[in-house]
Amino acid sequence: NAGVTQTPKFQVLKTGQSMTLQCAQDMNHEYMSWYRQDPGMGLRLIHYSVGAGITDQGEVPNGYNVSRSTTEDFPLRLLSAAPSQTSVYFCASSAALGRSNYGYTFGSGTRLTVV
Amino acid sequence: GNSVTQMEGPVTLSEEAFLTINCTYTATGYPSLFWYVQYPGEGLQLLLKATKADDKGSNKGFEATYRKETTSFHLEKGSVQVSDSAVYFCALSDLAGAGSYQLTFGKGTKLSVIP
Repeated sequence: NAGVTQTPKFQVLKTGQSMTLQCAQDMNHEYMSWYRQDPGMGLRLIHYSVGAGITDQGEVPNGYNVSRSTTEDFPLRLLSAAPSQTSVYFCASSAALGRSNYGYTFGSGTRLTVV
Repeated sequence: GNSVTQMEGPVTLSEEAFLTINCTYTATGYPSLFWYVQYPGEGLQLLLKATKADDKGSNKGFEATYRKETTSFHLEKGSVQVSDSAVYFCALSDLAGAGSYQLTFGKGTKLSVIP
């Protein structure tokens, strides 16, 4: 019963480097999303997807790309890392399409530091 | 747009004290309301939820009542334990694009319970 799996748990990047944060879920959820968590800011939505092949921007999409080739996977790509992207990143999934009362299942997070 | 406002933390209580964390919301629709809890180093977990006015969500001794007239969803517990130390997030779920329901989070309230 894995739920939502995020890798890696920790990562240090140099400014300008690129990387991909992985997210996989085994619950056949249609909805997946990426949030970043910063002190005093709560969680802010980066990108989300309502199914394979469909993605859309959230509140803070700049500097990030996503794709959804399968129901299970929703990777987040940092194209050219900047210190402002230092944060904790959470992936979440839900069976919430069309149903407002479903909660989200969160991964355990990736702590990213850009130096 | 939608927004969630939580009381500022941190909150420090002695074991067995009464807990209230205030949460108010602004929404254009008729949202579902949630409380999530984040233990140190972990992702967010759903604590409780309510989907319509006057509903009471409850779990692990925590309760919250959906008050439409005051647009509030305050979290309460009669007797806190050291193990309740965590960050608590209030959230609402409302209709977004492509038939999906998205969560909007408050900034979180850190609770520390001392023996």
